Amino acid sequence: QSVLTQPPSASGTPGQRVTISCSGSSSNLGRNTVNWYQQLPGTAPKLLIHTYSLRPSGVSDRFAASKSGTSASLAISGLQSEDEADYYCAAWDDSLIAYVFGTGTKVTVL
Amino acid sequence: QVQLQQWGAGLLKPSETLSLTCAVYGGSFSDYYWSWIRQPPGKGLEWIGEINHSGNSNYNPSLKSRVTISVDTSKNQFSLKLNSVIAADTAVYFCARGYSGSYYDHWGQGTLVTVSS
Repeated sequence: QSVLTQPPSASGTPGQRVTISCSGSSSNLGRNTVNWYQQLPGTAPKLLIHTYSLRPSGVSDRFAASKSGTSASLAISGLQSEDEADYYCAAWDDSLIAYVFGTGTKVTVL
Repeated sequence: QVQLQQWGAGLLKPSETLSLTCAVYGGSFSDYYWSWIRQPPGKGLEWIGEINHSGNSNYNPSLKSRVTISVDTSKNQFSLKLNSVIAADTAVYFCARGYSGSYYDHWGQGTLVTVSS
């Protein structure tokens, strides 16, 4: 059972902006860096954003993340069909002494 | 270019031991933590644990009693053993490279392990 809560789904039309929330607690998002992963169907997760808002080389600047207190969010601007995927937030949890993932959000491009 | 290639048995019976190995090609082996993460069919990701080149390891408390992660620095490989598997251990298992307590930037292709009598 995940300690990071995300909405199960989000959707938008091409070109729109979609935001995904991630809610945690003081022992994870409140103290540690938040990371985001994208998982295309049938593939391994891909690091999308790390250390709150840094994008690895090759990741589009259409993806941006932010954090406030014990919540974080991922924004996808200029939504494209290739963005259809599952998105997970993740962070270290000091109480569980474990790395925890969010429940995941499926993004659909209408 | 960093690549992680994993392998292991894909079908187990209840009570058997799951065994997977991940080989790392490219990049430094000693600068990172090496992790196992799993995903039950149709469900989310679950962190199993991690190890570094010195053998320092961290495990998910929910699995700690059954899990062993080991490292072979001579081959740039690390391995996962999960004892006494049950049906709920059926999942795709991924190996990954990361920074302890932070993020994972390279992943293996995944191995589906099915536990069934």
